[in-house]
Amino acid sequence: SQQGEEDPQALSIQEGENATMNCSYKTSINNLQWYRQNSGRGLVHLILIRSNEREKHSGRLRVTLDTSKKSSSLLITASRAADTASYFCATDWRGNNRLAFGKGNQVVVIP
Amino acid sequence: DAGVIQSPRHEVTEMGQEVTLRCKPISGHDYLFWYRQTMMRGLELLIYFNNNVPIDDSGMPEDRFSAKMPNASFSTLKIQPSEPRDSAVYFCASSPPPGITEQFFGPGTRLTVL
Repeated sequence: SQQGEEDPQALSIQEGENATMNCSYKTSINNLQWYRQNSGRGLVHLILIRSNEREKHSGRLRVTLDTSKKSSSLLITASRAADTASYFCATDWRGNNRLAFGKGNQVVVIP
Repeated sequence: DAGVIQSPRHEVTEMGQEVTLRCKPISGHDYLFWYRQTMMRGLELLIYFNNNVPIDDSGMPEDRFSAKMPNASFSTLKIQPSEPRDSAVYFCASSPPPGITEQFFGPGTRLTVL
């Protein structure tokens, strides 16, 4: 399976702390994406990193990609209660707009 | 743009009944995806369309499930007959033409089969 595997799967932190979660995959990819899902809602795209990129920033988000290890990490800095959600990584490995999603990381930010 | 629209948002039905879920993708998007999400299996791709044509339906659990996309602005996912194990949240997502693979998800339909 190409599905991403996030690690750790559940994280509880205090507001203001940083949250880091990891994702691994199995085959070569075109890009890797991170999505957020708030309770009872659909997934929302956060950031995309291409296979030839190593790091990308978007606001308080920092994504790294290590293609040699087939892994990625998502860092949320200075977390807020509103960051409480599940975070999914997804890989584009077939090049046909189809994504393979991981099982998700649940992050709880305590005010 | 209103985003991806799904209806109904909640559906409660009895085993054996037919269920039809509806989706309106974002205008101009060439791809449409149907997913199912459960605690046990996570997010599963059921089927996806490109320019209204089904490309891969290998994720459809069985013949009780069918999906159509009669035009670029509408798709349906039908379950007939429904079973309790079909209870899940069903998401529709769309994405732009090739080269931009970000997917835009609808709010989902929570299906409960009693």
